Amino acid sequence: KAGVTQTPRYLIKTRGQQVTLSCSPISGHRSVSWYQQTPGQGLQFLFEYFSETQRNKGNFPGRFSGRQFSNSRSEMNVSTLELGDSALYLCASSPTGPNTGELFFGEGSRLTVL
Amino acid sequence: EDQVTQSPEALRLQEGESSSLNCSYTVSGLRGLFWYRQDPGKGPEFLFTLYSAGEEKEKERLKATLTKKESFLHITAPKPEDSATYLCAVASGGYQKVTFGTGTKLQVIP
Repeated sequence: KAGVTQTPRYLIKTRGQQVTLSCSPISGHRSVSWYQQTPGQGLQFLFEYFSETQRNKGNFPGRFSGRQFSNSRSEMNVSTLELGDSALYLCASSPTGPNTGELFFGEGSRLTVL
Repeated sequence: EDQVTQSPEALRLQEGESSSLNCSYTVSGLRGLFWYRQDPGKGPEFLFTLYSAGEEKEKERLKATLTKKESFLHITAPKPEDSATYLCAVASGGYQKVTFGTGTKLQVIP
């Protein structure tokens, strides 16, 4: 069974640009969550989608957005990048939702903002 | 708001030297407490879910326990391959999100 796939794995952007990250969940998983991981803050919850609907959102500015498609694949977008957005962005999938059990994580997309 | 605090931040053990990692939590209505392992450059990997105080789970050299305010991850006779960052997380109420602690970085020296 294929795991969670995130693309791209690494990317470098400059301040003011925007970026789109992609996540393909495990087949059959309808919930996709996104997290930002930084050395000082750990994993911070961004948002969660289930069947194309955002069910929960973390405390991030509106520059961070996401969506989920009918095949459960998800994308997140960060507009007007700032230096502080440099982080590892992790996607996790689960069959019905994160608070019901195990989350399956991808290897992440490492974003560097210069 | 849910809060998770892990201690110590870092732990260095000799191979075979048993120890425990702590996870203190504050939630409104615990739905589950989770332990994950994260290796450098990788996403977290699920280890255990605990649902109620008194519950214990074991996997190889790891044993997780849960009380009403904290959880412990006991590592018995660790090996160098147990070196990783161990993350604790909680889910509460009806919210579809999991709150993570900042982790304990474990190093096991041969």
